[in-house]
Amino acid sequence: DSGVTQTPKHLITATGQRVTLRCSPRSGDLSVYWYQQSLDQGLQFLIHYYNGEERAKGNILERFSAQQFPDLHSELNLSSLELGDSALYFCASSVAWPGMNTEAFFGQGTRLTVV
Amino acid sequence: KNEVEQSPQNLTAQEGEFITINCSYSVGISALHWLQQHPGGGIVSLFMLSSGKKKHGRLIATINIQEKHSSLHITASHPRDSAVYICAVIVGSGNTPLVFGKGTRLSVIA
Repeated sequence: DSGVTQTPKHLITATGQRVTLRCSPRSGDLSVYWYQQSLDQGLQFLIHYYNGEERAKGNILERFSAQQFPDLHSELNLSSLELGDSALYFCASSVAWPGMNTEAFFGQGTRLTVV
Repeated sequence: KNEVEQSPQNLTAQEGEFITINCSYSVGISALHWLQQHPGGGIVSLFMLSSGKKKHGRLIATINIQEKHSSLHITASHPRDSAVYICAVIVGSGNTPLVFGKGTRLSVIA
C-alpha cells in the first residue's frame, strides 16, 4: 500500500458528461501529480499541485481542471467527456516534488470508461 | 522522438532466467525512476537513482549518467515478476515532473 488513495477505482460514464476523480496523498506529502495513461500513449503528465498551488501543467486539455484543497487532497475534473478520454488516471504524491532525494508514490488509479 | 526509450518493448522469459531491461534518454536528468505496473494497473516505485547502482532483493538497477543509460536487472526471474516495467526521468535540475518511457512488458513463464 503506497498510502495514496484514489476514488473511485472504476467509472463508466457517457460522452458529454462530467466526472470528478479524487486523490488523497500520503500523510505529510505536499505535492500531488496527476497522470493519464491511455493504451496508445503511455503515461502522460497532466498537472502538478504543491501545497494548494498549481506548479506545472503538462498535456492537460482545457476541458480538464484540477485543484488541491487545504487538507491537501486533490480533485481532477473532466468535463464534456469524449470517447478518447477513456484511460487510467493516476495520482502520485511526494514530500516536495520528484527530485534528487524525493520519491513519488502512486495511487492505484481510476479507470475511466466513456461510452 | 521520445525523450525516454526503453528496450525491449516485450520480453518473454522462462522462470529462473536473468532479465535485463534497458532505458536510454536524450536529455539531462537529475534522477531516474524504475516503476512496476502489474496487470491490475497499480504502479509501484522500485528504484530512484541518480548514480551508480541499487539493489533490492532480486532486482538491481544501474545508471550511467555520462552514457544516458540505465538498466534494470531481475535475477532468478519468477512468474510473479510478470508486469510492465517503466523507466521515468526527472529532466533538468529536478523541479519537474516525470517523463516516462513507454514500458517493457515482461512475461515470465513457469
